[in-house]
This record gives sequence, C-alpha cells and structure tokens, in this order.
Amino acid sequence: QQQVKQSPQSLIVQKGGISIINCAYENTAFDYFPWYQQFPGKGPALLIAIRPDVSEKKEGRFTISFNKSAKQFSLHIMDSQPGDSATYFCAAGATGNQFYFGTGTSLTVIP
Amino acid sequence: NAGVMQNPRHLVRRRGQEARLRCSPMKGHSHVYWYRQLPEEGLKFMVYLQKENIIDESGMPKERFSAEFPKEGPSILRIQQVVRGDSAAYFCASLNMVGTEAFFGQGTRLTVV
Repeated sequence: QQQVKQSPQSLIVQKGGISIINCAYENTAFDYFPWYQQFPGKGPALLIAIRPDVSEKKEGRFTISFNKSAKQFSLHIMDSQPGDSATYFCAAGATGNQFYFGTGTSLTVIP
Repeated sequence: NAGVMQNPRHLVRRRGQEARLRCSPMKGHSHVYWYRQLPEEGLKFMVYLQKENIIDESGMPKERFSAEFPKEGPSILRIQQVVRGDSAAYFCASLNMVGTEAFFGQGTRLTVV
C-alpha cells in the first residue's frame, strides 16, 4: 500500500516558469510533510516542510500548499532555474515515526 | 547533509559476500533511518532505529538483512550473502528526539558483481 502518491513522474519546464509537483497521502495521523531535493550522486536534502496547521509555507522561490481536507500537498517552484533541475521527493509521516516517501519527480528546467 | 556521515561511499562485493554499511548521525541525533534507492526509483524505507532499539523494521527483508544502532558508535546495516538484486544506493538519515527534520547522508552505493 503506497502511503504517499506523487505526480508527475517527470516534468519539463522553461526557465522562468512555474514547476508544480503534487502529492497525496492516506494516513490522517501524518503531521509532518517535508520536500526533499536530490541531485545525481547525492543524498536527498531537505528543501522545505510544512505541518497541517497552516495551508501554505513559502521560502524564497519554493512554496508548499497544503489541503488537509483533500489530504494533498504540493510544491511550487516559482521562476524555475536550470539549477533547480533535480529529483524532488515529497514525504509524509507522524512525528517520531517513519517517513513515507513519494516515488519522486524528475524536474528538468530548460534554458 | 555533511553532518550525517556514511561510509564507505562505494562498496563492491561479490555474490555471497557480506556488506557492512555504516552511518554516523548528526551530533545530538539519536534516531536513524535506513532507506534503499534503486536506479531511477524512489526511496524505500527499510528500518528505523533508536540507540540500542529497533523501532520499526517493517521495510527490512526477512532474511540476510539486519541493522543495529549501538550505544556507542555508528549505525550498521548488514547484508549477508549479497545477491545482484541488492545493488542499490543505501541512504541513512538522522533526526533529533523531537522527530522533525531528517537529514540524509551521501549514501553508500553497493554494487554486487
């Protein structure tokens, strides 16, 4: 049973455009929703995270939108840059327990 | 994150040998996760450990795989009698007792020949 479903699997965006990656989760006990960025040959790096008491969190060009009733959350990358090209993973979990990861989205930003 | 140290970075083993992967968490972190990542795939949970305690090993294969996190020293993921299908990147992540942010190491890339 996949606890976190992520889409799309791959995404190509023009430089300056908006990249949007979506995730849905099953378990209503989850209270922590991080996004990770992974470059080839590297470990995932925490990008931004949100808790369900807020509907949106913004850090620079990265924004998480959270819809508790729909059990969905998304990552928006504004003004996408070629350096943003990486694989992005959403995750969800309950504090103190294991995280469940989405299957990843390979983002390519073309100049 | 440079704070979580995994070694070796690359490991080559012949079929039937044992592989030992080490993970030193960030200072002050007492919990570690181990994940496996196959090429072009996502991260698959394997085991969640606290010092001297296995909290959740539901993602670990029943045979050949074991993990420990002793009171002193790094966490160890041990794979006995490796097979070609064990070839993957293995990542360790550590988090603090509050259990919020998890920081990943650079991974160990295991190749079974």
